[in-house]
Amino acid sequence: EAQVTQNPRYLITVTGKKLTVTCSQNMNHEYMSWYRQDPGLGLRQIYYSMNVEVTDKGDVPEGYKVSRKEKRNFPLILESPSPNQTSLYFCASGYGIPSYNEQFFGPGTRLTVL
Amino acid sequence: AQTVTQSQPEMSVQEAETVTLSCTYDTSESDYYLFWYKQPPSRQMILVIRQEAYKQQNATENRFSVNFQKAAKSFSLKISDSQLGDAAMYFCAYSDNAGNNRKLIWGLGTSLAVNP
Repeated sequence: EAQVTQNPRYLITVTGKKLTVTCSQNMNHEYMSWYRQDPGLGLRQIYYSMNVEVTDKGDVPEGYKVSRKEKRNFPLILESPSPNQTSLYFCASGYGIPSYNEQFFGPGTRLTVL
Repeated sequence: AQTVTQSQPEMSVQEAETVTLSCTYDTSESDYYLFWYKQPPSRQMILVIRQEAYKQQNATENRFSVNFQKAAKSFSLKISDSQLGDAAMYFCAYSDNAGNNRKLIWGLGTSLAVNP
């Protein structure tokens, strides 16, 4: 089954404790992206990657890191989480060449930083 | 900068009836794509329908159809024969091919309730 998976689905942590949210897709997509969803602010892009070893900042990259060592994986790293990073996070993937620009989403990760 | 506006925070419809959700957008690009995504209580983001700007024909997917008015920059979603399972948040989104980023730009959503 074609899908994007994220782990964990739910996470409660404390300020400053490094964490990683994993994202994996099995559709051989070149493009991957992270979004965060907040009430009243909608979905905003954090980082994106056009292919292996090619990543770039989105609209709200502060406090986040990413890596793309393999085509299928695109982990989101919070080196020192803060309460303002409490949010619902989505990983998405899509084709790299100009096409429908359709993106397929993972199930989301609900993160709470105390 | 591109923007997407959904002016209806909440809508409701009777089961089996038809409802239309509104979306307007702003862009100076000529090559772009528009989407409607559904987010049920599970929070999963599900693609409902997409429209390519260069296509004049409105997209249709079963009970879902759009009214794409390019000059007016309007992209509404019509749900026919509404079902209880259609209750969800609906997001309008935009993407273009300017640069490498396939970023989706989102509206703030419309919460749709379906009454039995």
